[in-house]
Amino acid sequence: NAGVTQTPKFQVLKTGQSMTLQCAQDMNHEYMSWYRQDPGMGLRLIHYSVGAGITDQGEVPNGYNVSRSTTEDFPLRLLSAAPSQTSVYFCASSYGGTNTGELFFGEGSRLTVL
Amino acid sequence: GENVEQHPSTLSVQEGDSAVIKCTYSDSASNYFPWYKQELGKRPQLIIDIRSNVGEKKDQRIAVTLNKTAKHFSLHITETQPEDSAVYFCAARGEGSGNTGKLIFGQGTTLQVKP
Repeated sequence: NAGVTQTPKFQVLKTGQSMTLQCAQDMNHEYMSWYRQDPGMGLRLIHYSVGAGITDQGEVPNGYNVSRSTTEDFPLRLLSAAPSQTSVYFCASSYGGTNTGELFFGEGSRLTVL
Repeated sequence: GENVEQHPSTLSVQEGDSAVIKCTYSDSASNYFPWYKQELGKRPQLIIDIRSNVGEKKDQRIAVTLNKTAKHFSLHITETQPEDSAVYFCAARGEGSGNTGKLIFGQGTTLQVKP
């Protein structure tokens, strides 16, 4: 199993450009989420999904869109990039149900917005 | 919604000493409290977790304690080693059905273990 795969690993954008961060998992996890990591601010939840066709907002959703058309994929879209969105982005997934809550993280995507 | 506060933000200890990191949470309905370790340039990885029906859990040199009444939980690392140097994050799962509620993280603690 590849686990959680994120692409791209690095990206530089200009202010106002749009882009999509891809996330795929091959563990048949129901739950998927996106976090951003900034120095001194920990991991902040952007959006999450408890299953295909279901998404919800996290702590910092503004400027980002998500969709969950399949169990495997959970792309994060930046609609009009701003310098404040410069960050490291992590996709993470876990089983649903009552057996476990462990989040499995992707390797991260470092985004710079100029 | 859930809010998690973590202290201290940085912690420096001598090799062999103990390290304690503390977190408080706001949502009394939270029922799952994991701790993640993130080495430099790597992804966060789960090191230990505790559920609300348990007060303490140990795994070799690490332990976590939970005080539901006070809404705080702590990570204890004994006999620290240089390889314990990393950023540690606590988290709490807020409202949601079963195990699929969103996981909210604290701000992180940078632990440095000096040889």
